[in-house]
Amino acid sequence: KNEVEQSPQNLTAQEGEFITINCSYSVGISALHWLQQHPGGGIVSLFMLSSGKKKHGRLIATINIQEKHSSLHITASHPRDSAVYICAVSPNADKLIFGTGTRLQVFP
Amino acid sequence: AAGVIQSPRHLIKEKRETATLKCYPIPRHDTVYWYQQGPGQDPQFLISFYEKMQSDKGSIPDRFSAQQFSDYHSELNMSSLELGDSALYFCASSSLSGLADAYEQYFGPGTRLTVT
Repeated sequence: KNEVEQSPQNLTAQEGEFITINCSYSVGISALHWLQQHPGGGIVSLFMLSSGKKKHGRLIATINIQEKHSSLHITASHPRDSAVYICAVSPNADKLIFGTGTRLQVFP
Repeated sequence: AAGVIQSPRHLIKEKRETATLKCYPIPRHDTVYWYQQGPGQDPQFLISFYEKMQSDKGSIPDRFSAQQFSDYHSELNMSSLELGDSALYFCASSSLSGLADAYEQYFGPGTRLTVT
C-alpha cells in the first residue's frame, strides 16, 4: 500500500466545472505539497500546507491533519488546467514522498 | 526571479557509459534534492544535500554518486548505465533557514536521460 494515495487517478471535466482531487496519507508529516506536472515533464509547486486552507487564484487546498487527508479544488476549470496533479508529503521537512498523481483533462 | 537550473535537459547514453547531471539551485538556497521519475511512475527520492553535506539518502543505486559544491550546485554522477536508468531526473532546491518560503521545494525542469 502506498504511503500517499490520490483519487481519482483520471479526471475529465468540461470547462467551467468545479474540480476536486483528494489525497490521503498514512505517515506523519510536517507538510503536504500539491504539485502540477505538465506533459513536458516540468513540476511546479502549487501549495505547501501544514494546516488549514490556502487559496491562490482559482486553486484552493485544504488539509485535515487528524484525518490525514487533503483536497485540491479548482474552481471554474479551464483547458489550461489540464495536467497531472501530484500530492506529496514531507515527513520531516525534507524529502518528498509522492502520490501516484491525478491526470486532469479539461475540455472546452 | 531565478529558478532552479538543470543541465543538460536531454541526454542520450549507451549501456555501461557514464553520465553527469548538474543542478544549480535558486540563489541563497542551501538544500538540494534529487528525484528520479521513470516512465509512467511517481518521482522517487534519490539523495539530498544540506550545506554541502549529504543529508539523506533514498533508493539510489551504488552506481550513482552525488555531491554539492561550495557554490551550492550539485552533480549526480551515474556510472555503468543500465536501460532501467532511463528516466526524468529532477533536482529541487529549498532553504531550511530563515527565508519566508523555508522548506518550500522549487523544482528544476528536469534532465531526460535515455539509455540505449
